[in-house]
Amino acid sequence: DIQMTQSPSTLSASVGDRVTITCRASQTISTWLAWYQQKPGKAPKLLIYTASNLENGVPSRFSGSGSGTEFTLTISSLQPDDSATYYCQHYKTFSSCSFGQGTKLEIK
Amino acid sequence: EVQLVESGGGLVQPGGSLRLSCAASGFTFSSHWMHWVRQAPGKGLVWVSRINSDGSSTKYADSVKGRFTISRDNAKNTLYLQMKSLRAEDTAIYYCVRDISTWYVMDYWGQGTLVAVSS
Repeated sequence: DIQMTQSPSTLSASVGDRVTITCRASQTISTWLAWYQQKPGKAPKLLIYTASNLENGVPSRFSGSGSGTEFTLTISSLQPDDSATYYCQHYKTFSSCSFGQGTKLEIK
Repeated sequence: EVQLVESGGGLVQPGGSLRLSCAASGFTFSSHWMHWVRQAPGKGLVWVSRINSDGSSTKYADSVKGRFTISRDNAKNTLYLQMKSLRAEDTAIYYCVRDISTWYVMDYWGQGTLVAVSS
Protein backbone atom coordinates (compact mmCIF):
# COMPACT_ATOMS: atom_id res chain seq x y z
CA ASP A 1 0.00 0.00 0.00
CA ILE A 2 1.13 3.54 -0.74
CA GLN A 3 1.54 5.70 2.36
CA MET A 4 1.17 9.48 2.24
CA THR A 5 3.03 11.63 4.80
CA GLN A 6 2.37 15.33 5.20
CA SER A 7 4.53 17.92 6.89
CA PRO A 8 4.18 19.83 9.02
CA SER A 9 1.24 18.44 11.01
CA THR A 10 0.36 21.91 12.24
CA LEU A 11 1.33 25.30 10.92
CA SER A 12 0.75 28.82 12.16
CA ALA A 13 1.19 31.76 9.81
CA SER A 14 0.12 35.37 9.39
CA VAL A 15 -2.20 36.92 6.85
CA GLY A 16 -0.21 37.68 3.71
CA ASP A 17 2.42 34.99 4.34
CA ARG A 18 3.44 32.48 1.71
CA VAL A 19 2.66 29.01 3.07
CA THR A 20 3.89 25.64 1.82
CA ILE A 21 2.67 22.20 2.83
CA THR A 22 4.58 19.11 1.75
CA CYS A 23 3.25 15.65 0.95
CA ARG A 24 5.50 12.64 0.39
CA ALA A 25 4.48 9.30 -1.10
CA SER A 26 6.10 6.02 -0.04
CA GLN A 27 6.54 5.13 -3.72
CA THR A 28 6.35 7.01 -6.97
CA ILE A 29 2.84 8.12 -7.96
CA SER A 30 3.67 10.24 -11.03
CA THR A 31 1.29 13.21 -10.67
CA TRP A 32 -1.70 11.22 -9.39
CA LEU A 33 -2.19 13.52 -6.42
CA ALA A 34 -5.02 15.72 -5.15
CA TRP A 35 -5.31 18.30 -2.37
CA TYR A 36 -8.40 18.97 -0.25
CA GLN A 37 -9.34 21.66 2.26
CA GLN A 38 -11.57 20.88 5.24
CA LYS A 39 -12.96 23.44 7.65
CA PRO A 40 -14.29 22.41 11.07
CA GLY A 41 -17.67 20.71 10.90
CA LYS A 42 -17.69 20.79 7.10
CA ALA A 43 -17.06 18.31 4.31
CA PRO A 44 -13.74 18.44 2.47
CA LYS A 45 -13.43 20.54 -0.67
CA LEU A 46 -11.32 19.65 -3.70
CA LEU A 47 -8.61 22.23 -4.39
CA ILE A 48 -6.15 20.66 -6.82
CA TYR A 49 -5.89 17.43 -8.80
CA THR A 50 -3.23 15.82 -10.95
CA ALA A 51 -0.73 17.60 -8.71
CA SER A 52 -1.14 21.06 -10.23
CA ASN A 53 -4.59 21.47 -11.82
CA LEU A 54 -6.70 24.01 -9.95
CA GLU A 55 -10.33 22.96 -9.48
CA ASN A 56 -12.91 25.40 -10.87
CA GLY A 57 -13.69 28.22 -8.47
CA VAL A 58 -10.62 27.77 -6.28
CA PRO A 59 -8.72 31.03 -5.72
CA SER A 60 -5.54 31.41 -7.73
CA ARG A 61 -3.47 31.96 -4.58
CA PHE A 62 -3.57 28.16 -4.25
CA SER A 63 -1.13 26.18 -6.37
CA GLY A 64 0.30 22.67 -6.43
CA SER A 65 3.50 21.19 -7.75
CA GLY A 66 5.58 18.06 -7.72
CA SER A 67 5.80 14.62 -9.24
CA GLY A 68 7.08 11.22 -8.28
CA THR A 69 7.18 11.13 -4.50
CA GLU A 70 7.30 14.75 -3.34
CA PHE A 71 4.55 17.33 -3.72
CA THR A 72 3.74 20.78 -2.38
CA LEU A 73 0.64 22.85 -1.84
CA THR A 74 1.40 26.57 -1.77
CA ILE A 75 -0.78 29.45 -0.69
CA SER A 76 0.87 32.55 -2.12
CA SER A 77 -0.72 35.11 0.20
CA LEU A 78 -2.52 33.65 3.20
CA GLN A 79 -6.06 34.89 3.86
CA PRO A 80 -8.14 34.54 7.05
CA ASP A 81 -10.54 32.19 5.21
CA ASP A 82 -7.69 29.73 4.58
CA SER A 83 -7.68 28.51 8.18
CA ALA A 84 -8.44 24.80 7.73
CA THR A 85 -6.97 21.32 7.63
CA TYR A 86 -5.42 20.31 4.32
CA TYR A 87 -5.17 16.73 3.05
CA CYS A 88 -3.24 15.23 0.17
CA GLN A 89 -4.52 12.08 -1.54
CA HIS A 90 -2.93 9.71 -4.02
CA TYR A 91 -4.92 7.86 -6.66
CA LYS A 92 -2.21 6.05 -8.58
CA THR A 93 -3.67 2.56 -8.55
CA PHE A 94 -7.26 3.33 -9.64
CA SER A 95 -8.39 0.50 -7.38
CA SER A 96 -7.95 2.36 -4.11
CA CYS A 97 -6.60 5.60 -2.75
CA SER A 98 -5.27 6.98 0.50
CA PHE A 99 -5.00 10.32 2.24
CA GLY A 100 -2.24 11.96 4.19
CA GLN A 101 -2.78 12.53 7.90
CA GLY A 102 -3.61 16.21 7.39
CA THR A 103 -1.98 19.57 8.06
CA LYS A 104 -3.82 21.98 10.34
CA LEU A 105 -3.22 25.57 9.26
CA GLU A 106 -3.90 28.28 11.80
CA ILE A 107 -3.86 32.02 11.30
CA LYS A 108 -1.76 33.98 13.83
CA GLU B 1 -26.42 22.55 -8.28
CA VAL B 2 -24.87 19.25 -7.29
CA GLN B 3 -26.30 17.90 -4.05
CA LEU B 4 -25.48 14.75 -2.14
CA VAL B 5 -27.60 14.08 0.93
CA GLU B 6 -26.73 11.16 3.19
CA SER B 7 -29.10 9.47 5.60
CA GLY B 8 -29.32 6.32 7.69
CA GLY B 9 -26.66 6.97 10.27
CA GLY B 10 -27.20 6.43 13.97
CA LEU B 11 -26.21 4.46 17.05
CA VAL B 12 -25.79 0.73 16.61
CA GLN B 13 -24.43 -2.02 18.85
CA PRO B 14 -21.24 -3.89 18.00
CA GLY B 15 -22.04 -6.69 15.58
CA GLY B 16 -25.06 -4.85 14.28
CA SER B 17 -25.97 -3.65 10.80
CA LEU B 18 -26.87 -0.36 9.20
CA ARG B 19 -27.64 0.84 5.68
CA LEU B 20 -26.61 4.30 4.58
CA SER B 21 -28.25 6.06 1.64
CA CYS B 22 -27.15 9.03 -0.43
CA ALA B 23 -29.64 10.91 -2.58
CA ALA B 24 -27.96 12.63 -5.51
CA SER B 25 -29.28 15.51 -7.58
CA GLY B 26 -28.10 18.26 -9.89
CA PHE B 27 -26.03 16.04 -12.18
CA THR B 28 -26.27 12.90 -14.27
CA PHE B 29 -25.82 10.36 -11.48
CA SER B 30 -25.49 7.38 -13.83
CA SER B 31 -22.40 8.92 -15.46
CA HIS B 32 -20.22 9.15 -12.35
CA TRP B 33 -18.30 6.75 -10.18
CA MET B 34 -19.20 7.25 -6.52
CA HIS B 35 -17.37 6.70 -3.24
CA TRP B 36 -17.86 6.45 0.49
CA VAL B 37 -15.17 8.12 2.62
CA ARG B 38 -15.23 8.12 6.42
CA GLN B 39 -13.70 10.23 9.16
CA ALA B 40 -13.49 9.08 12.76
CA PRO B 41 -14.02 11.86 15.34
CA GLY B 42 -11.00 14.15 15.35
CA LYS B 43 -9.15 12.00 12.82
CA GLY B 44 -8.28 12.08 9.13
CA LEU B 45 -10.02 10.95 5.97
CA VAL B 46 -10.19 7.27 5.06
CA TRP B 47 -11.46 5.95 1.75
CA VAL B 48 -13.98 3.13 2.25
CA SER B 49 -15.42 2.01 -1.06
CA ARG B 50 -16.00 2.86 -4.72
CA ILE B 51 -18.57 1.83 -7.32
CA ASN B 52 -18.42 2.43 -11.03
CA SER B 53 -21.13 4.21 -12.99
CA ASP B 54 -23.34 1.22 -13.81
CA GLY B 55 -22.68 -0.66 -10.58
CA SER B 56 -20.85 -3.56 -12.20
CA SER B 57 -17.52 -2.93 -10.46
CA THR B 58 -16.81 -2.25 -6.78
CA LYS B 59 -13.71 -1.83 -4.64
CA TYR B 60 -13.25 -1.79 -0.86
CA ALA B 61 -10.67 -0.84 1.71
CA ASP B 62 -9.20 -3.90 3.41
CA SER B 63 -10.66 -2.76 6.73
CA VAL B 64 -14.25 -3.19 5.49
CA LYS B 65 -13.92 -5.91 2.86
CA GLY B 66 -16.42 -8.69 3.44
CA ARG B 67 -18.48 -6.58 5.88
CA PHE B 68 -19.58 -3.59 3.77
CA THR B 69 -21.36 -3.59 0.42
CA ILE B 70 -21.65 -0.58 -1.86
CA SER B 71 -24.45 -0.41 -4.40
CA ARG B 72 -26.43 2.08 -6.43
CA ASP B 73 -29.83 2.53 -8.03
CA ASN B 74 -29.39 4.79 -11.03
CA ALA B 75 -33.16 4.96 -11.58
CA LYS B 76 -33.51 6.48 -8.10
CA ASN B 77 -30.25 8.50 -8.20
CA THR B 78 -29.26 6.88 -4.93
CA LEU B 79 -26.04 5.40 -3.56
CA TYR B 80 -26.03 2.88 -0.71
CA LEU B 81 -23.62 1.42 1.81
CA GLN B 82 -24.77 -1.72 3.58
CA MET B 83 -22.69 -2.23 6.72
CA LYS B 84 -22.74 -5.40 8.81
CA SER B 85 -20.68 -6.85 11.66
CA LEU B 86 -20.03 -3.30 12.80
CA ARG B 87 -17.14 -2.62 15.16
CA ALA B 88 -16.31 0.27 17.46
CA GLU B 89 -13.59 1.32 15.01
CA ASP B 90 -16.24 1.86 12.33
CA THR B 91 -17.51 4.85 14.31
CA ALA B 92 -17.16 7.83 11.99
CA ILE B 93 -18.84 10.39 9.82
CA TYR B 94 -19.53 8.73 6.48
CA TYR B 95 -19.38 10.96 3.42
CA CYS B 96 -20.98 10.22 0.07
CA VAL B 97 -18.65 11.54 -2.62
CA ARG B 98 -18.82 12.03 -6.37
CA ASP B 99 -15.83 11.14 -8.53
CA ILE B 100 -14.77 13.80 -11.01
CA SER B 101 -14.52 11.10 -13.66
CA THR B 102 -13.05 7.62 -13.15
CA TRP B 103 -9.98 8.75 -11.27
CA TYR B 104 -10.69 8.63 -7.52
CA VAL B 105 -10.60 12.44 -7.56
CA MET B 106 -13.49 13.55 -5.36
CA ASP B 107 -15.11 16.76 -6.53
CA TYR B 108 -18.39 16.90 -4.58
CA TRP B 109 -19.01 15.72 -1.02
CA GLY B 110 -22.19 15.31 0.97
CA GLN B 111 -22.51 16.75 4.48
CA GLY B 112 -21.94 13.33 6.03
CA THR B 113 -23.90 11.06 8.34
CA LEU B 114 -22.62 9.90 11.72
CA VAL B 115 -22.40 6.21 12.52
CA ALA B 116 -21.68 5.40 16.16
CA VAL B 117 -20.97 1.80 17.16
CA SER B 118 -21.27 1.33 20.89
CA SER B 119 -22.95 -0.86 23.46
